[in-house]
Amino acid sequence: GAGVSQSPSNKVTEKGKDVELRCDPISGHTALYWYRQSLGQGLEFLIYFQGNSAPDKSGLPSDRFSAERTGGSVSTLTIQRTQQEDSAVYLCASSARGYTQYFGPGTRLTVL
Amino acid sequence: AQRVTQPEKLLSVFKGAPVELKCNYSYSGSPELFWYVQYSRQRLQLLLRHISRESIKGFTADLNKGETSFHLKKPFAQEEDSAMYYCAPRTGQAGTALIFGKGTTLSVSS
Repeated sequence: GAGVSQSPSNKVTEKGKDVELRCDPISGHTALYWYRQSLGQGLEFLIYFQGNSAPDKSGLPSDRFSAERTGGSVSTLTIQRTQQEDSAVYLCASSARGYTQYFGPGTRLTVL
Repeated sequence: AQRVTQPEKLLSVFKGAPVELKCNYSYSGSPELFWYVQYSRQRLQLLLRHISRESIKGFTADLNKGETSFHLKKPFAQEEDSAMYYCAPRTGQAGTALIFGKGTTLSVSS
């Protein structure tokens, strides 16, 4: 079946602009995760959604970052007033109630 | 503080040589541990989890609670094993996020 999909695959933006990154999880997966992958920092956890529970936002690096998940499915990660240090690959993953996390291909964000 | 350490950024070996990718963790309680792998131009994917006690693609990993380690081993490396490997503990309830190490790049040459 279809895996996790993310769009866009690449995004180039200017410093100070807002960006939205989208994640479509595997159908039926109740858990959705956002991570950030950057050189030298490895993979950083950002935010986690589980069903209708309040999301775990403990990994968001600043209040410029936010995410929502509509209808328990699609999620959007929004970065406001982008900075150059936000440049990274943003990965989304989903899982079925705590089992293996399946990752999407990522969105490569470049902030000029 | 909870943390995971992968001390080697890069590990280069020749084909057929044994491989050990190190992972040490510092967590309270009993974490569940995973190894994830990312091959060139592919998605990050699960390689193995310690509770399964399985061997995947010839790799095994033993959880050593005394040393708080979860090293990944393979007796004979193959060129197709070249990839980035991440150790990832998970604490708390099943389904909580993974905390990844910074990863080790394994390069296997002939």
